[in-house]
Amino acid sequence: AQSVTQPDIHITVSEGASLELRCNYSYGATPYLFWYVQSPGQGLQLLLKYFSGDTLVQGIKGFEAEFKRSQSSFNLRKPSVHWSDAAEYFCAVGSTGGGNKLTFGTGTQLKVEL
Amino acid sequence: DVKVTQSSRYLVKRTGEKVFLECVQDMDHENMFWYRQDPGLGLRLIYFSYDVKMKEKGDIPEGYSVSREKKERFSLILESASTNQTSMYLCASSLSDRASRGYTFGSGTRLTVV
Repeated sequence: AQSVTQPDIHITVSEGASLELRCNYSYGATPYLFWYVQSPGQGLQLLLKYFSGDTLVQGIKGFEAEFKRSQSSFNLRKPSVHWSDAAEYFCAVGSTGGGNKLTFGTGTQLKVEL
Repeated sequence: DVKVTQSSRYLVKRTGEKVFLECVQDMDHENMFWYRQDPGLGLRLIYFSYDVKMKEKGDIPEGYSVSREKKERFSLILESASTNQTSMYLCASSLSDRASRGYTFGSGTRLTVV
């Protein structure tokens, strides 16, 4: 069965500092991997995704993520955080069959200090 | 530009009531999903549907049922609401053959059972 681990429940960074959110997955084949962001009281918005090709993927709002098969990781990064990036971030892994069901991690809450 | 619509943002119901949460998508997606989101637990899949009148249990189906009579609509039913079903409920949809695209989420329904 596929699974996702986000080891950091809360992260606090200063505005302008760099950010890295960790995600480790478990899946038997090459996975589909996603990062979503959720602002307070809202649904989830897709930031970026990986399914093949270049292991460094670019997303919206200046985010990027790198797929590392050897480490089973898909960490999210941003070089300079803005106060508006404060939100909850979810990593997800998708199966390649059966209706593309996604399994989500437990989320990382990002706080940005001004 | 709204693609997945959940009929209520906030809902308060009494213990024992029958509760319907409605979700409509206008993207002609085959797959639809219901998740509940709780702090520290992330998103947990309740039920999903690959097609009209088809449904499959997710990870936590107990106490819930679903209905999909039309392709665009997927309803979550709490037959007899209980306080432990107080949660944020998120609906999502996706194309069946586009696993790499991920999901489109609704804005969520925050249900409180008193």
